[in-house]
This record gives sequence, C-alpha cells and structure tokens, in this order.
Amino acid sequence: AQSVTQLGSHVSVSEGALVLLRCNYSSSVPPYLFWYVQYPNQGLQLLLKYTSAATLVKGINGFEAEFKKSETSFHLTKPSAHMSDAAEYFCAVRNTGGFKTIFGAGTRLFVKA
Amino acid sequence: SAVISQKPSRDICQRGTSLTIQCQVDSQVTMMFWYRQQPGQSLTLIATANQGSEATYESGFVIDKFPISRPNLTFSTLTVSNMSPEDSSIYLCTVRSQATNTGELFFGEGSRLTVL
Repeated sequence: AQSVTQLGSHVSVSEGALVLLRCNYSSSVPPYLFWYVQYPNQGLQLLLKYTSAATLVKGINGFEAEFKKSETSFHLTKPSAHMSDAAEYFCAVRNTGGFKTIFGAGTRLFVKA
Repeated sequence: SAVISQKPSRDICQRGTSLTIQCQVDSQVTMMFWYRQQPGQSLTLIATANQGSEATYESGFVIDKFPISRPNLTFSTLTVSNMSPEDSSIYLCTVRSQATNTGELFFGEGSRLTVL
C-alpha cells in the first residue's frame, strides 16, 4: 500500500526566501508522484508531477521538485517566495498500475512581507 | 484537461437530513472519484465510481451512508445520508487525466457542506 508523509503542517517564509516543502512516500512499486496546490477558496490544481522521465521536475510558478529514490522523497522547492505563493500544498502518490491517488496531510505555506 | 462542475457549491443542512451532490464532467471518463476534505485536513478517498457497476468504497465508508450513482460516462452523484455535524466537509468529485500515463487528477471547486 502506498502512503505519503508531509513534514510540517505549516511553513512560514519571508518574501524572497527559499521555499522547501517536504514529502516522503512509501510505495511497493515505482510511483507516480504529484504536488497539488490549493489557493484560498479555490479547487486543487496540479503543480507538477514525477513520471520517471527525469528526477528533477519543473512545475508552474517557478516550483520544482526532485525525486530521490534512495530517500523516498519528493520535496518541493522554489528559490524565491512570492506573496502569491501562500496556499495549501499537497503531495500525492499513485502506484504505477494502480488507480487510487493518496494524498498527504498538506502543508500550509505562509509568506511574510 | 477536464472541466468538472459540482452542484451545490455549498449548502447548510440540518442534522438527520440527506443531500445529493451532482458532478458533471465535460468529457467521457471511465472512473470518477469522490473525496472528502474535512476542515483543515487532507483529502480522503470515499469511493471510486465506474459506469455500469457498483461503486468501490474505501475502508471506513459504506454505501448506506454515501450511496453513489454513475448512470453514464459524464455524470455521477454522491448522497450524504442522515447527516451529522461530523459530515461537515468539502466533497470533491475528481477524474483522472486520460491523456497521460500518470493520470493526474482534475478537480472542480467542490461542494462545501455545513451540518448544523
């Protein structure tokens, strides 16, 4: 069975600072990994996804994530935070060949001026 | 991509009543998924709905409480029965991308239910 752990339910950074949101997964088979973002009062949207084509994945709004099999991690980063990045971020996993997507608990990102 | 519309977008319900949420997708899809997002929490899969067959429920969710219909490839309903305040949540209908192997999910804005 697959699972996702997001370390830190809340992360606060200053505008312009590095954003690092942590995600570790558990999967018995090669996984598909995703980051979704939920802006206030909006539905979830895909930020980026890992497909095994490349370990470093670039997404929208300057975000990227690196797949590290040895660490079973898929951390999300952005070099310089912007006020508009304030949102809830969810890491998710789906086994290749499976049909269920499992979500982590979410990390709320606060960006201080 | 897929565009998902849910009705109602929000509702306030009385304890003991039932509410049916409708989900319309702008393209034909094999699987539709119903998730629940309780206040301040993550998404939990309730069930998977396939056209022409009974929905498959996840552990902790039962058909008597959350009956699901899937009459065709673009529509589904989820009923929340005999509601209690613990059922106050956002209910999300989602579908997987059929254009990619990764099958990322597309979301509508969900249905926000408050049970008094």
